[in-house]
Amino acid sequence: AQSVTQLGSHVSVSEGALVLLRCNYSSSVPPYLFWYVQYPNQGLQLLLKYTTGATLVKGINGFEAEFKKSETSFHLTKPSAHMSDAAEYFCAVSEGGYQKVTFGTGTKLQVIP
Amino acid sequence: DSGVTQTPKHLITATGQRVTLRCSPRSGDLSVYWYQQSLDQGLQFLIQYYNGEERAKGNILERFSAQQFPDLHSELNLSSLELGDSALYFCASSSMGETQYFGPGTRLLVL
Repeated sequence: AQSVTQLGSHVSVSEGALVLLRCNYSSSVPPYLFWYVQYPNQGLQLLLKYTTGATLVKGINGFEAEFKKSETSFHLTKPSAHMSDAAEYFCAVSEGGYQKVTFGTGTKLQVIP
Repeated sequence: DSGVTQTPKHLITATGQRVTLRCSPRSGDLSVYWYQQSLDQGLQFLIQYYNGEERAKGNILERFSAQQFPDLHSELNLSSLELGDSALYFCASSSMGETQYFGPGTRLLVL
């Protein structure tokens, strides 16, 4: 069975500081990994995804994530936080194809001016 | 705009009642997923349909049911509603099965 663990339900960073949101996964097969963002009162929006190939994945809004198989991690980073990045971020794992996607419990990012 | 539409946006009803939530997937997407998001339980996968057939079941209560119609739109039926069913209900769709595109959600309040 697949699972996702997001470390830290709330993360606060100063505007302009590095954003690091942690995600560890468990999967019995090579995983497909995703980060989604949810702004208040909106649905989830895909930030980036890893399926195969290059382990460093770039997404929208300056975010990127690196798939590290040896650490079973897929941490999300952004070099410089912006006020508009304040949202909830969800990591997710899938076994590909039409298999069920399992979401983490989410991390709320607060950006302090 | 993800291309997934959900109606209604808001729904207020009383305990014991039954409601139907509707979802129209992105054009061409065959797969529809339903999720429940609440403060205490987070984002919970309920059920998945692919081209009219049930594909996977998650934490869906027996009081809840869903179906996908030939035109690929889907409905989630919630019956014998309880206060604890108050939540945001999201629909998502996918084509190749990897990336799910989420609708804006239906906010259900049970009084």
